[in-house]
Amino acid sequence: DTGVSQDPRHKITKRGQNVTFRCDPISEHNRLYWYRQTLGQGPEFLTYFQNEAQLEKSRLLSDRFSAERPKGSFSTLEIQRTEQGDSAMYLCASSLVQGPYTEAFFGQGTRLTVV
Amino acid sequence: AQKITQTQPGMFVQEKEAVTLDCTYDTSDQSYGLFWYKQPSSGEMIFLIYQGSYDEQNATEGRYSLNFQKARKSANLVISASQLGDSAMYFCAMREGERGDKVIFGPGTSLSVIP
Repeated sequence: DTGVSQDPRHKITKRGQNVTFRCDPISEHNRLYWYRQTLGQGPEFLTYFQNEAQLEKSRLLSDRFSAERPKGSFSTLEIQRTEQGDSAMYLCASSLVQGPYTEAFFGQGTRLTVV
Repeated sequence: AQKITQTQPGMFVQEKEAVTLDCTYDTSDQSYGLFWYKQPSSGEMIFLIYQGSYDEQNATEGRYSLNFQKARKSANLVISASQLGDSAMYFCAMREGERGDKVIFGPGTSLSVIP
């Protein structure tokens, strides 16, 4: 078990470009979350999956954002037509939902800078 | 709607002393879980401790304990015998319901341990 893995760790892109991030959760975990964190703030919930089903999507997520988890394993988060306000750390977390205790394990994040 | 409040943006503590980080929450659910995470300057989110809403005993994990006062909707983190490595951001978080849906985070408290 290597923990939650995110790729890339850093991404610099020009405004208007599309970017895609990947998250590989802990292998037996059925739940996968995406969060966004800006400097000095707590992580903000974006969306989460139960296996391959996307169960909730935050209102923070504009139509430029899309997330997938096609086979219930890894997930991708795509941002289209990036804006400077998209600059943030994008965190992925996974958990194994068994009853009420669902500790989430986080990856090291992808830091996006839009210039 | 849920809300997590952490009223202390920054805290200082002398090495080897104990420190309490405050967290209050708001939820209409009867079943919920409360978490504390640590985020050092390197960026990874590290799970520290969990408290379920039906747990009668306050949770403890090594030097970490959670002072859970359900009627007051508070879940303060107590770190005993502070160490220099405890300097980090600390986030209180909550997930709602038995299904363990999305986890939401507070704004965080920055803890600095002084030698």
